[in-house]
Amino acid sequence: QMQLVQSGPEVKKPGTSMKVSCKASGFTFSNSAMQWVRQARGQRLEWIGWIVVGSGNTDYAQMFQERVTITRDMSTSTVYMDLSSLRSEDTALYYCAADPQYCSGGSCYVRKFDSWGQGTLVTVSS
Amino acid sequence: SSELTQDPAVSVALGQTVRITCQGDSLRSYYGGWYQQKPGQAPILVIYDKDTRPSGIPDRFSGSSSGNTTSLTIAGAQAEDEADYYCNSRDSSGYRWVFGGGTKLTVL
Repeated sequence: QMQLVQSGPEVKKPGTSMKVSCKASGFTFSNSAMQWVRQARGQRLEWIGWIVVGSGNTDYAQMFQERVTITRDMSTSTVYMDLSSLRSEDTALYYCAADPQYCSGGSCYVRKFDSWGQGTLVTVSS
Repeated sequence: SSELTQDPAVSVALGQTVRITCQGDSLRSYYGGWYQQKPGQAPILVIYDKDTRPSGIPDRFSGSSSGNTTSLTIAGAQAEDEADYYCNSRDSSGYRWVFGGGTKLTVL
């Protein structure tokens, strides 16, 4: 059964960095694509970026381009999202989501991001 | 600002049909999808590739698309369908993704 387990809640000071992890199981990690999405309390979903796990290729939303890095560790089936220069507006619940069949049947393209982690609450406060 | 535009709130009487829409230029080129999110829960994918339901999603949920608009229709809305609904698609670059602002569905 597909599962994404994220790291625990964090409290960070403004100007520092955070690193959230997302450990995958129940599917072939190297065939997948993973995205990161955040949601401030009472606000809309906000797309941050994604990684094609097999190639390591990434793309980021323009508003995060300068501050975010998404990486993966094939040995532990884990994806990481680093966000730097934190400010209070970055306080949110951060989700990872997987398309476990990004590469399937000899072709690679987004099918569906239908497996989500439980979310990681990051609070940025002085 | 979001490149996908949704009505902030929609209501429907129990058992009736409701359509939730999402507009954006990128929808002329890329399929949209829909997520349902209930309070305190992670989003659940209910429609992808414009009109495909993941397994386990009731068939009262359907999707369609025309021009720059993608739509989610719930036929015979149930109380448990009360939630926020977000559309999702690639942005105009084609390499990145974007969510709509979300629509709060109230079942009366």
